[in-house]
Amino acid sequence: DSGVTQTPKHLITATGQRVTLRCSPRSGDLSVYWYQQSLDQGLQFLIQYYNGEERAKGNILERFSAQQFPDLHSELNLSSLELGDSALYFCASSVEQEAYEQYFGPGTRLTVT
Amino acid sequence: GQSLEQPSEVTAVEGAIVQINCTYQTSGFYGLSWYQQHDGGAPTFLSYNALDGLEETGRFSSFLSRSDSYGYLLLQELQMKDSASYFCAVTDSWGKLQFGAGTQVVVTP
Repeated sequence: DSGVTQTPKHLITATGQRVTLRCSPRSGDLSVYWYQQSLDQGLQFLIQYYNGEERAKGNILERFSAQQFPDLHSELNLSSLELGDSALYFCASSVEQEAYEQYFGPGTRLTVT
Repeated sequence: GQSLEQPSEVTAVEGAIVQINCTYQTSGFYGLSWYQQHDGGAPTFLSYNALDGLEETGRFSSFLSRSDSYGYLLLQELQMKDSASYFCAVTDSWGKLQFGAGTQVVVTP
């Protein structure tokens, strides 16, 4: 158990809908990262927050947005969902802004039908 | 841009040694990390190399050559539980982790 929690574990929704994925980092970690992993694919970095501020952005679609709240938990919002958005979404956390050692949550499996 | 290359699959028998190579092209390279991911599970951190040389952690070792933009993960005394995907990841100057596509290691009895 990494100490990072993600909810929900599974999510099934229809195309065009909007969903919110939630992540709580390890106690004391200020950085939160979001990744997308499609079937048989590597981990695609989406976005990073550090202590409430956006720190780095990857190949995140405009339909996706995220934020980190004062209590350091983070939410990833996915809107106008398409079939291709079906994937495993991971949240990770670290103490530092720039961290090679990240602790990953169990992931949220999103299925868009 | 950035790119990382690693083999897609490696198969070996229990007790054997496996080496997973990773070559990278990136700007502002800080270091090379390795992560393990079992099917359906979360990636877990294995090792990190910022400087040239070999880092050993139990049965796993990781090597880096910055001049060759190359690193490898060495898995020794393979066990069935080592069957998993292994990802190399580069830390760039922005502190972002860029992951390779992963190498699936299949351990057979």
